[in-house]
Amino acid sequence: QKEVEQNSGPLSVPEGAIASLNCTYSDRVSQSFFWYRQYSGKSPELIMSIYSNGDKEDGRFTAQLNKASQYVSLLIRDSQPSDSATYLCAVKDSGYSTLTFGKGTMLLVSP
Amino acid sequence: GAVVSQHPSWVICKSGTSVKIECRSLDFQATTMFWYRQFPKQSLMLMATSNEGSKATYEQGVEKDKFLINHASLTLSTLTVTSAHPEDSSFYICSARGPGGPGQGIYEQYFGPGTRLTVT
Repeated sequence: QKEVEQNSGPLSVPEGAIASLNCTYSDRVSQSFFWYRQYSGKSPELIMSIYSNGDKEDGRFTAQLNKASQYVSLLIRDSQPSDSATYLCAVKDSGYSTLTFGKGTMLLVSP
Repeated sequence: GAVVSQHPSWVICKSGTSVKIECRSLDFQATTMFWYRQFPKQSLMLMATSNEGSKATYEQGVEKDKFLINHASLTLSTLTVTSAHPEDSSFYICSARGPGGPGQGIYEQYFGPGTRLTVT
């Protein structure tokens, strides 16, 4: 059974700091990796996708993928209180299979 | 990113009645749509996957006769909760994916804003 593991948190960081969110996955054939942000009472919003090893940057967000270690992370630089949310890691294998979600890490950014 | 809408955003209904929720992809053709349910403080639970023009594939434990899914066009899928009961009260979220390949915008899965269902 495919599993995606995330620390439930909460991860507390002060405003302006770097928040580091981690995710491990069990299925070695996974090829596509996504980070979603979900505010309380709202639906998930896609913020990053990554498909190959290494780093991918988009604004204050950097996704990092290491397929050998089956590990994907999300760094949020200059964290803001508005970044406070639950971050969901999602993994997909080849083709048009369904996403496997982790349970999410709650991030709290204090002013 | 791609836009997915959902209607209604919230609904209150009496026990025993049926409720229909619509999910639309506004700026892309969604070859596949997904329906999720989320209870408070819990993770997303995939209910079913539907491909345009085909019958939906339901996850284990989801009653297909209770949760009717229709994906009649490339931009519209509906979920009907039949004979709703209070235990069906939840946050229902649809998601859509286009036919693109990895790295192409519509390959990713985009979520609608969700429908909060309360059954009294």
